Amino acid sequence: DVKVTQSSRYLVKRTGEKVFLECVQDMDHENMFWYRQDPGLGLRLIYFSYDVKMKEKGDIPEGYSVSREKKERFSLILESASTNQTSMYLCASRVGGQGNEQFFGPGTRLTVL
Amino acid sequence: GENVEQHPSTLSVQEGDSAVIKCTYSDSASNYFPWYKQELGKRPQLIIDIRSNVGEKKDQRIAVTLNKTAKHFSLHITETQPEDSAVYFCAAQITGNQFYFGTGTSLTVIP
Repeated sequence: DVKVTQSSRYLVKRTGEKVFLECVQDMDHENMFWYRQDPGLGLRLIYFSYDVKMKEKGDIPEGYSVSREKKERFSLILESASTNQTSMYLCASRVGGQGNEQFFGPGTRLTVL
Repeated sequence: GENVEQHPSTLSVQEGDSAVIKCTYSDSASNYFPWYKQELGKRPQLIIDIRSNVGEKKDQRIAVTLNKTAKHFSLHITETQPEDSAVYFCAAQITGNQFYFGTGTSLTVIP
């Protein structure tokens, strides 16, 4: 079974703090993704990585950065957290190419106070 | 980029009835269309998918249809059960790696 894990299920941070969200997959997948999930807005792509050290902006990259130094790990960084970044963050991974399933992590519920 | 619209946003059906969720997409180059189910507090999981060279696909009580000309695809759930209650997301993939998701449909099956 594919396993995608995220470092925290719940996280509470203060405005202005630097926040790291980590995602690890154990299936040697090339592609990894970070999504943000908000009610009524579905899943919105923040960044994705198609290989180690490679990254592409998604639809809402502002205020976020990512790092992928190893194939199994994809980190999402909030340089200076703001209250409008309070959300559920979902990581996903998949084999590269067309038509391959994405496997999601359990999500991190981030609250920025 | 691609734009995926999903309707309805909420849907309530009686147990045993059918449920239909519809999605439209804008880019005719999209060629892979998965559907994900997300139960409360859990991660999204793939339930069925369809590729652009196929018009319909069925898996037990779940089916997906694709109309490339009209650029829409639909999820059909027959003989609904309470465990079908969840949020369902459609998605579209153009050649490449990015997926574009719909905004989700919250399905409630009333016993």
